[in-house]
Amino acid sequence: GENVEQHPSTLSVQEGDSAVIKCTYSDSASNYFPWYKQELGKGPQLIIDIRSNVGEKKDQRIAVTLNKTAKHFSLHITETQPEDSAVYFCAASNSGAARQLTFGSGTQLTVLP
Amino acid sequence: DVKVTQSSRYLVKRTGEKVFLECVQDMDHENMFWYRQDPGLGLRLIYFSYDVKMKEKGDIPEGYSVSREKKERFSLILESASTNQTSMYLCASTRPNQPQHFGDGTRLSIL
Repeated sequence: GENVEQHPSTLSVQEGDSAVIKCTYSDSASNYFPWYKQELGKGPQLIIDIRSNVGEKKDQRIAVTLNKTAKHFSLHITETQPEDSAVYFCAASNSGAARQLTFGSGTQLTVLP
Repeated sequence: DVKVTQSSRYLVKRTGEKVFLECVQDMDHENMFWYRQDPGLGLRLIYFSYDVKMKEKGDIPEGYSVSREKKERFSLILESASTNQTSMYLCASTRPNQPQHFGDGTRLSIL
């Protein structure tokens, strides 16, 4: 089955700096890669997703890049703000969001004021 | 907005009890999922369902069962709770080609 590895497990950045979280996946058939943000006491919320026919996607301060050859994808957050502090999860699926997602182990991002 | 509601935020049960966790979604989604979340392990899929009365095993189904008698409701059942089932449980729902939407979770403690 699919295996998703996520690094780093914790990340601290100064407010205004950029943050990068990286994930690798094992199943070359995976074609859908969402990123979720989980705030304390809440369930994960989708912040951005990318499909395998696209190399990069951007939404304001958040971007995701995908390298299918190397089987890795990354989340980039620019101009970080204290409200970006949360746990971030990457995930992968070989049949879209409606089927099984395999999640990474999570990254605790702390943005220091 | 999609609303996925989990009936309890916190639950404390004893070893050997039969435990029911309930999840309801209000968007007529076909697909529903149960995950457990443990520190350092991310979210792991227990069971999922594509339709009423349909269910499929995820990655860690042992010790759990599910029930989907109505489209909007998906129940997770711990037949005989054990201490290693102490965890955060998350429910999600979606329709084809849409992202999964999560509830806020049930933190279950088995004593």
